[in-house]
Amino acid sequence: DARVTQTPRHKVTEMGQEVTMRCQPILGHNTVFWYRQTMMQGLELLAYFRNRAPLDDSGMPKDRFSAEMPDATLATLKIQPSEPRDSAVYFCASGLVVGHDTEAFFGQGTRLTVV
Amino acid sequence: AQSVSQHNHHVILSEAASLELGCNYSYGGTVNLFWYVQYPGQHLQLLLKYFSGDPLVKGIKGFEAEFIKSKFSFNLRKPSVQWSDTAEYFCAVRRDTGRRALTFGSGTRLQVQP
Repeated sequence: DARVTQTPRHKVTEMGQEVTMRCQPILGHNTVFWYRQTMMQGLELLAYFRNRAPLDDSGMPKDRFSAEMPDATLATLKIQPSEPRDSAVYFCASGLVVGHDTEAFFGQGTRLTVV
Repeated sequence: AQSVSQHNHHVILSEAASLELGCNYSYGGTVNLFWYVQYPGQHLQLLLKYFSGDPLVKGIKGFEAEFIKSKFSFNLRKPSVQWSDTAEYFCAVRRDTGRRALTFGSGTRLQVQP
C-alpha cells in the first residue's frame, strides 16, 4: 500500500529553534508539494517540486523557510528560526505527472507547535 | 491566479439527509477539479476528481459531483449521509496546463447527527 510518509508526526519546539520536517514521497512520483494548514488560512501551498527541482515556492516566507529535495526519496522543509505563528499542520503530497492526468496523495502531516 | 470559494463553512445534517456542498472557482481556462475529505485528525483523502468527459463524476463512499462549466461550479452531493461522513470537505482546482499545484477552498465542516 503506497503512501506518503511524513516525520515527525508531532513536534513541539521553542521559538527560535530550527525545525526540520521530512517527507518520503510515493516511489516513482515525480512531483512533491508542501502545504500548510491553519484554522485562519486553510490550506496554503508553500512549495512545489517537479523532478526534484523547485517550480514554485512563492508561498513560502524565504527569510526563514527553505525546502529541498536532496534525492528523489526525500523532501525536507526547514524553518529557522521558528516563530509561534508557524504553528500549523504541514502536509506533504506527491503525485506523478503523466500528460495531464495526475492527483496528489497526501501524507499524514506534521503538527508543529512553536511555543 | 485561480481561486476557489466554498460558501458553506459549517453544515449540520441528520443521518439519511441529502447533502450538497457548493464549490465555485475563478479561472477562465481549462481546469481539473477535485474534492478531498479530511476526517478528524487525519490527512486529506481524495473523494473524486474531474479531468474531462462526463461532467457527472462518481467517487468513493457514494459521493458524486457535477461540473457545470457555465457556472464555474463543481458541487459535491450525496443522497443520504451517514454519521461516518462527519469530516471537513475541501474543493480544489488545478490548471490543466502550466502550474500544477492545487488551489484549495477554505473547506466545509460537515457534522452528521445520528
